[in-house]
Amino acid sequence: EPEVTQTPSHQVTQMGQEVILRCVPISNHLYFYWYRQILGQKVEFLVSFYNNEISEKSEIFDDQFSVERPDGSNFTLKIRSTKLEDSAMYFCASPRPGLSRGEQFFGPGTRLTVL
Amino acid sequence: QKEVEQDPGPLSVPEGAIVSLNCTYSNSAFQYFMWYRQYSRKGPELLMYTYSSGNKEDGRFTAQVDKSSKYISLFIRDSQPSDSATYLCAMARNAGNMLTFGGGTRLMVKP
Repeated sequence: EPEVTQTPSHQVTQMGQEVILRCVPISNHLYFYWYRQILGQKVEFLVSFYNNEISEKSEIFDDQFSVERPDGSNFTLKIRSTKLEDSAMYFCASPRPGLSRGEQFFGPGTRLTVL
Repeated sequence: QKEVEQDPGPLSVPEGAIVSLNCTYSNSAFQYFMWYRQYSRKGPELLMYTYSSGNKEDGRFTAQVDKSSKYISLFIRDSQPSDSATYLCAMARNAGNMLTFGGGTRLMVKP
């Protein structure tokens, strides 16, 4: 089964620094999503991306966040100036070819620690 | 009122028991309902995906949706210690829309 991959698995950064989290969604799909999960809390939606444009975003996804597709297969989530409260697991998700686009398959996540 | 509510547990059952996990929700616009399993510090794993009201069965798992009551359930038959995890319900207004998650129920299946 094709899988979503994410790098790095763990990122430690200082408050105020920029971080870039990378995702390779399941191939040949135009949809992908970013979610985050603060330790002990629920999974929260950040942004969805369809056909090279943001299609939905949450209140969390403010001007400090941006999402890009730098090439044909990779997607990135950038946090410009990290805050302590950005410490969380960040997951990207995408549908699988041949299945409903509503079925979102998650990657293993990147654990972001802001010191 | 939270949009999606789940009892956080933990729910502890003996191996072989039938497990019932539930979510309630407040937004009647939700049409797509999912159950995910999440092991500690791992990504959510999609178990069941259903549209509108009704039942869906896949192996030991059965998902039920009652839109009139805004209530969804996941049943696990013949539970195994490997089923010990946190179970998350999630829902969406339309296919491809953002998912709104419950807080998860922690399940422990004891050998």
